[in-house]
Amino acid sequence: GENVEQHPSTLSVQEGDSAVIKCTYSDSASNYFPWYKQELGKRPQLIIDIRSNVGEKKDQRIAVTLNKTAKHFSLHITETQPEDSAVYFCAALRDNDMRFGAGTRLTVKP
Amino acid sequence: EAQVTQNPRYLITVTGKKLTVTCSQNMNHEYMSWYRQDPGLGLRQIYYSMNVEVTDKGDVPEGYKVSRKEKRNFPLILESPSPNQTSLYFCASSFGRGDYEQYFGPGTRLTVT
Repeated sequence: GENVEQHPSTLSVQEGDSAVIKCTYSDSASNYFPWYKQELGKRPQLIIDIRSNVGEKKDQRIAVTLNKTAKHFSLHITETQPEDSAVYFCAALRDNDMRFGAGTRLTVKP
Repeated sequence: EAQVTQNPRYLITVTGKKLTVTCSQNMNHEYMSWYRQDPGLGLRQIYYSMNVEVTDKGDVPEGYKVSRKEKRNFPLILESPSPNQTSLYFCASSFGRGDYEQYFGPGTRLTVT
């Protein structure tokens, strides 16, 4: 089955800096790659997603890039703010079977 | 208000005592799924359902059962809970197949002693 690896497991940045989280997947048939943000004690919420026919997608300060050949995708957050502090999960979907990465705890220091 | 609800939110039980965690959504979503969240392991899919009477195993289905008799409900059943099923459980639903935004329920924290 699909295996998703996520790095780093923890990331600390200064407010205003950029943050990058990377994921790799094993199954080349995976075709949908969402990113979820989970604040402490809350449920995961989708922040951005990308499909396999697109190489990059941007939404304000958040962007995702996908390299199908290398089977990796990345989340980029620019101009980070303290409210960006949370755990971020990447995921890959193949045939309705969703596999998540282990998560990255992002801390943005004011 | 569009939402996914789960009950109970917290449950402490003993090994072997059958339990059911309910999940309900009011968005007319076809796709529903159960996940468990454990520290360092992220979210792992237990079962998913494409529509009524259609269910499939996810990554970690052992020890769990599900049913989808109605579109809005997708209960998770633990016939004989064991301590290794102590976890935080999330139900989620999405429009169409799994390749649309999944809306998560509030979570159920289960402890099996």
